[in-house]
Amino acid sequence: DQQVKQNSPSLSVQEGRISILNCDYTNSMFDYFLWYKKYPAEGPTFLISISSIKDKNEDGRFTVFLNKSAKHLSLHIVPSQPGDSAVYFCAASGPNAGKSTFGDGTTLTVKP
Amino acid sequence: GAGVSQSPRYKVTKRGQDVALRCDPISGHVSLYWYRQALGQGPEFLTYFNYEAQQDKSGLPNDRFSAERPEGSISTLTIQRTEQRDSAMYRCASSVRDSYNEQFFGPGTRLTVL
Repeated sequence: DQQVKQNSPSLSVQEGRISILNCDYTNSMFDYFLWYKKYPAEGPTFLISISSIKDKNEDGRFTVFLNKSAKHLSLHIVPSQPGDSAVYFCAASGPNAGKSTFGDGTTLTVKP
Repeated sequence: GAGVSQSPRYKVTKRGQDVALRCDPISGHVSLYWYRQALGQGPEFLTYFNYEAQQDKSGLPNDRFSAERPEGSISTLTIQRTEQRDSAMYRCASSVRDSYNEQFFGPGTRLTVL
């Protein structure tokens, strides 16, 4: 069973608009969540994270929202830029801090 | 400051052969992780180390897979008697420590078993 799910394999957005990427999880023991971005032929790179004691974390154009009761988090990118086009992975970890569980990713395409 | 490096970047081997994949983490990072990633999927946890101690190996698929980090720096993931189903991208990552820290990923080793 997949404990972290990204139900949208792809998303296409116009430059300047908001991109919203979603992630759902099933394990209530997860208490730390991260988003990674991956360009082709490269490894994932860290984007932003959020602890379960918060419901929002913002870093420039990127904001992550956490809804613990719904076991749902989302990444908002405003405004979206063509350079944001990449695969975005949601990841979660819990009491076994070193073990991260990743979703299967959402491919974001930002059109000029 | 060098990032995480992995070697080889590509490995083609015949079924039944043993392979060793190497990871050189960021200097000073306590924690080192191994993942396997199939096409179109996210990284799948295999194992991780703090210093030289293997903390969790619950993701290793079977006893053909093993990993070590003998001096708390470079790590080797070994797959014995490779099978075609072992073909995948193998990624290594490191972090300052294991709790509430982002991981820095290497470029991966693409393993193809013929």
